[in-house]
This record gives sequence, structure tokens and C-alpha cells, in this order.
Amino acid sequence: QLQLQESGPGLVKPSETLSLTCTVSGGSISSSSYYWGWIRQPPGKGLEWIGSIYYSGSTYYNPSLKSRVTISVDTSKNQFSLRLSSVTAADTAVYYCARVVVAATSYDYWGQGTLVTVSS
Amino acid sequence: SYELTQPSSVSVSPGQTARITCSGDVLAKKYARWFQQKPGQAPVLVIYKDSERPSGIPERFSGSSSGTTVTLTISGAQVEDEADYYCYSAADNNVVFGGGTKLTVL
Repeated sequence: QLQLQESGPGLVKPSETLSLTCTVSGGSISSSSYYWGWIRQPPGKGLEWIGSIYYSGSTYYNPSLKSRVTISVDTSKNQFSLRLSSVTAADTAVYYCARVVVAATSYDYWGQGTLVTVSS
Repeated sequence: SYELTQPSSVSVSPGQTARITCSGDVLAKKYARWFQQKPGQAPVLVIYKDSERPSGIPERFSGSSSGTTVTLTISGAQVEDEADYYCYSAADNNVVFGGGTKLTVL
């Protein structure tokens, strides 16, 4: 059974960089049938797509976040990572990592999510 | 960029049919997908490619498309279907979510 697990600091100071890692188990991140994405959800609000990455390193970012976001992949560790720079309180959210089926662009497996709070 | 619009809330009694709409110009040429999200849980995919149902999703969940509007239908809604539902679509290497619809079943 495929599992995804987010990890990283739960508290980040304003203007600093948020860094999260998603560890994939029960399947290979190098499969050509999937790519891997990050989505976030501010408390009490809706979902926002952050971006996604293919195992080859090709990336796609939300235009509204593109200047601050970097997503990378480490196939040797079966992990992919998110970095979001210059954070503010508006970046406080539950951050989810997920698998995306290439053929349908459908997010079929998700991590449990991790709350990241931006506060001094 | 593009937008997807959903009603903020829908209410039905148990056993009735719930219909949740999602509208946007992009839906005339791109597929929609639907997520169900219960409080404190990660979203679960219930419909993809407008009307396809992933394995394990009950048959009472169905999807349809007409022009720039897609509809998630829950036939014979059950109390456990009470949740937030989000549509989304992908175009031009971008993914956009609808604002979400809170379905109340009581």
C-alpha cells in the first residue's frame, strides 16, 4: 500500500524559508506513470495547489507562488521536497503531499498533512 | 488564470439525491475531478475525468459534464457523506480548485 508522509518544522518565522519533505513508501517515486505534488489548506479555508514535480525533475508551479517556490526530488531516497521562501502569516496552512496519476491528472494518494504556522 | 465556482453549501435529507455543481470556462475543454474532505482528514478522490469513479468509491457517487458546468451527484446520500467537496481542473500546467461546497446530510 502506497504511503506518503510529510515532515518538517511546524513553526517558521516570518521572512524565513519553509522546508518540507515528503517520503514515499510502498512504491517508487521514479515511476513514469506518476508525478508528485504539494497542496496546502489554510485553517478553515479551501485547497490551493502549490506545484508538482516529475521524477526527472520537471516542475510545474502555481503562478501566484512561483517566485517563492522550489520543488525538488531525490529518487535515491524516494523523497520530494518543498521550499517556500519569504513566508508570511498568510502561508500558515496544512501542507499536503500527494501522488498524481499522469494519465488523468488525478491526485489519488495523499499524505496526512502537516500544519505549518508562520509566527515570530 | 481561470476560476472554478461552486455553491458554498448544499443540504439534503438522508436518502435524497445531492447535486453539487462546479462552473468555469476551462471545463468546456478540460476534465474535472472531485474530492471529498471530512474534518481533520486529507482529501479523497471520488471522481476523475468528469465521471470516472476510482475503485473503492461507492456507486452512489457519479459525475457528469455539460458545457462549462460539471456536477457531482450523490444518489441516496448518507449521513457519512457529509463533508466538504472540491472540484478541480488542470490546464496549461496549472491546477485550480473550486472554493468548496459543504454538504450537510440531516
